[in-house]
Amino acid sequence: SYELTQPPSVSVSPGQTASITCSGDKLGDKFACWYQQKPGQSPMLVIYQDSKRPSGIPERFSGSNSGNTATLTISGTQAMDEADYYCQAWDSSTHVVFGGGTKLTVL
Amino acid sequence: VQLVESGGGLVQPGGSLRLSCAASGFTFSSYDMHWVRQGTGKGLEWVSAIGTAGDTDYPGSVKGRFTISRENAKNSLYLQMNSLRAGDTAVYYCARGLRGTYNFDYWGQGTLVTVSS
Repeated sequence: SYELTQPPSVSVSPGQTASITCSGDKLGDKFACWYQQKPGQSPMLVIYQDSKRPSGIPERFSGSNSGNTATLTISGTQAMDEADYYCQAWDSSTHVVFGGGTKLTVL
Repeated sequence: VQLVESGGGLVQPGGSLRLSCAASGFTFSSYDMHWVRQGTGKGLEWVSAIGTAGDTDYPGSVKGRFTISRENAKNSLYLQMNSLRAGDTAVYYCARGLRGTYNFDYWGQGTLVTVSS
């Protein structure tokens, strides 16, 4: 079955750039997306089709996907960006697959 | 867009439960719909999908036990869960499929299912 691997945690200082990675076999050949989930809330789509932002998502959120790694980048990270982030892709064997999630701490 | 789940609760192992999701604010019949679950303190797990034509899809972990269905006239999505196990304990989210993708652009607030004796 297909698996996506994320680091359990990432820390960043306010105003700096945070990068969260998602690794999977030939992930660059698939579309990756990213969800943000704050405590007690439902997930929210922040990036889809590797690098597209849904309406209402700030420009500081960007994404890329190449080789075996997709990356979510948050530029000028704010305290409100502290959350869990999940990558997700579609694979012909597993169909919908999520990464294990990364807790972003802004300190 | 609003998605409101209901039907969660406490059920014994081996029991059944039917979840519902009431959709509003969009043309329900034109979108694929999904169920995604999240165990307490755990990550997200896709549970089922139903296309606009009624075609369905499941991961191996629930295939044969869970059945997704939709009733477009009522703007409603359902998940029939049978032979429930402790490992099925989770918050179950209803989610709308982003057109042309297997991504989810709107999520409900979730309903908690607890499988325990």
